[in-house]
Amino acid sequence: DADVTQTPRNRITKTGKRIMLECSQTKGHDRMYWYRQDPGLGLRLIYYSFDVKDINKGEISDGYSVSRQAQAKFSLSLESAIPNQTALYFCATSDAGTGAETQYFGPGTRLLVL
Amino acid sequence: AQSVTQPDIHITVSEGASLELRCNYSYGATPYLFWYVQSPGQGLQLLLKYFSGDTLVQGIKGFEAEFKRSQSSFNLRKPSVHWSDAAEYFCAVAKINTDKLIFGTGTRLQVFP
Repeated sequence: DADVTQTPRNRITKTGKRIMLECSQTKGHDRMYWYRQDPGLGLRLIYYSFDVKDINKGEISDGYSVSRQAQAKFSLSLESAIPNQTALYFCATSDAGTGAETQYFGPGTRLLVL
Repeated sequence: AQSVTQPDIHITVSEGASLELRCNYSYGATPYLFWYVQSPGQGLQLLLKYFSGDTLVQGIKGFEAEFKRSQSSFNLRKPSVHWSDAAEYFCAVAKINTDKLIFGTGTRLQVFP
């Protein structure tokens, strides 16, 4: 079984709809992240959480919100989806530490906003 | 501000040829440096990382990278490429004492038989 899972894997929605992307991990890591990937732009950090009570904005948090329901679960919400949020979204996890820790990525959710 | 530059958007090599993917970073101190690979339809997988010590780092799948402080570079190399190496490769830098990765824009590798 995969250590980091994301649901759904693919999603098509319409402008203005609220959607939630979910991430679960079995690695026992405290730290979780949400990134979006756009062609030619690499991955950009949306939100990150160092433990259940700690939520932090990344470089592109506008239009997104997150919820850390448990150590193993970290959800990303788009309150009112817009077409420029069409992207590939990745969840990642890591152990706490000094910054050299590996981040483990889920398989991604491909989102299309019409 | 930290940044990572991968100057090659797309590289094509023949199977068995050597490979070098370039990565330059901008950071005021010695950073933590990473190379990740993304195979089609997959998430990212760590190939190797550098944070101190020997500047030549060995990774999985026969890859290595060399940290060169004077050139602010962390180029990825492989002596003989296999068709299964076709993927997108991302260089990333982390600020020391944080887990926040800054990614480059990626290099797509195509391998011809």
